[in-house]
Amino acid sequence: QSVLTQPPSASGTPGQRVTISCSGSSSNIGSKTVNWYQQLPGAAPKLLIYDDTQRPSGVPDRFSGSKSGTSASLAIRGLQSEDEADYYCAAWDGSLNGWVFGGGTKLTVL
Amino acid sequence: EVQLLESGGGLVQPGGSLRLSCAASGFTFSLYAMSWVRQAPGKGLEWVSTISSSGGTTYYADSVKGRFTISRDNSKNTLYVQVNSLRAEDTAVYYCAKNVGAKRGEYFQYWGQGTLVTVSS
Repeated sequence: QSVLTQPPSASGTPGQRVTISCSGSSSNIGSKTVNWYQQLPGAAPKLLIYDDTQRPSGVPDRFSGSKSGTSASLAIRGLQSEDEADYYCAAWDGSLNGWVFGGGTKLTVL
Repeated sequence: EVQLLESGGGLVQPGGSLRLSCAASGFTFSLYAMSWVRQAPGKGLEWVSTISSSGGTTYYADSVKGRFTISRDNSKNTLYVQVNSLRAEDTAVYYCAKNVGAKRGEYFQYWGQGTLVTVSS
């Protein structure tokens, strides 16, 4: 059971907008910044969003992050086939004194 | 270009030990916290441990506390984790990650390709 809760799966057709939620608590998302990672099939994870809403250079602006209270969301607009991957949210947890991840969301592009 | 190259994985019997290494290049290693994150086959990511830039502060997941020891050699640009008393549930790909920030790091900025540890008799 992961400390951060994500839906196990999500899907959309090319061009659509999809969102992936990440729910936590006051000791993690509620008080710390959220990061998102993309893991393409067979590859290592890659930083997608940091500090709740920031994109590293090279990440398309189709990807965006938001946060409200103890929940965060990743939105992908203009869905493309190459977006098919696993997506993970993460945050520092002040009570556990460690990093916590969501269980991951498998995104399928139909 | 940042590169993180893990090594040291392999097949080990339950109760056994390994030392995993991560050779870093392309950045000033001594300025950044570093971490290990693992992924069991077909499962999600699990944070294992983080070490501050100086090596003076370490953090561990409860699942590995007392069994794993993270360390670094800033003169060799290398991160280590000594994994002892291995259990079947420690079977995973172990990723090395560069944090942003010096203490616990703000996020995992770059990841290596991972090294597989299999615990089985």
